[in-house]
Amino acid sequence: DTAVSQTPKYLVTQMGNDKSIKCEQNLGHDTMYWYKQDSKKFLKIMFSYNNKELIINETVPNRFSPKSPDKAHLNLHINSLELGDSAVYFCASSPTRSGVTYEQYFGPGTRLTVT
Amino acid sequence: GQSLEQPSEVTAVEGAIVQINCTYQTSGFYGLSWYQQHDGGAPTFLSYNALDGLEETGRFSSFLSRSDSYGYLLLQELQMKDSASYFCAVSPAGDYKLSFGAGTTVTVRA
Repeated sequence: DTAVSQTPKYLVTQMGNDKSIKCEQNLGHDTMYWYKQDSKKFLKIMFSYNNKELIINETVPNRFSPKSPDKAHLNLHINSLELGDSAVYFCASSPTRSGVTYEQYFGPGTRLTVT
Repeated sequence: GQSLEQPSEVTAVEGAIVQINCTYQTSGFYGLSWYQQHDGGAPTFLSYNALDGLEETGRFSSFLSRSDSYGYLLLQELQMKDSASYFCAVSPAGDYKLSFGAGTTVTVRA
């Protein structure tokens, strides 16, 4: 299937732990994103990579570190997890023309619960 | 920076028409997009307007007025499956970013 996939779908962990979320897209897109969606459903951009280069790095604690081994993959590692990190994390990808993106394809999301 | 405003909730009955307005303020602008998200699901792309006017895709239409920094999503012949959150998003010029509004929750009643 042509899609954006991410694993795991659910992640329950304790405060202080380190965890990773993986994302892969087979759409041939050159730009990938990580979003955080809180309980009020606001979609907040965290990071974006274009052709493996970090192009968006919003105000995010440095406990969050993205890594893009190639154009099709973008992983998110989170150190020292805190209660406030509990949210749904979405990976997305898009074709980008001259720095403009309007159509993004989202993965199914990873629901992270920190206890 | 960018800011987008849209109503937080709309309720309507099956078969009705709902219009979700979105006003925006951006430092640059390429276009206005709309996304749908069902509870527990992922946002999915609905439409994009780069030029003024109405774009129709089946029961959904989207409108843009660049001079008014305003757009709307029109949902016609509402069905129960249209109950979802709808987000407007703007593409500011040249920074690869899509900035989302806070979303409008549409509830369709029988």
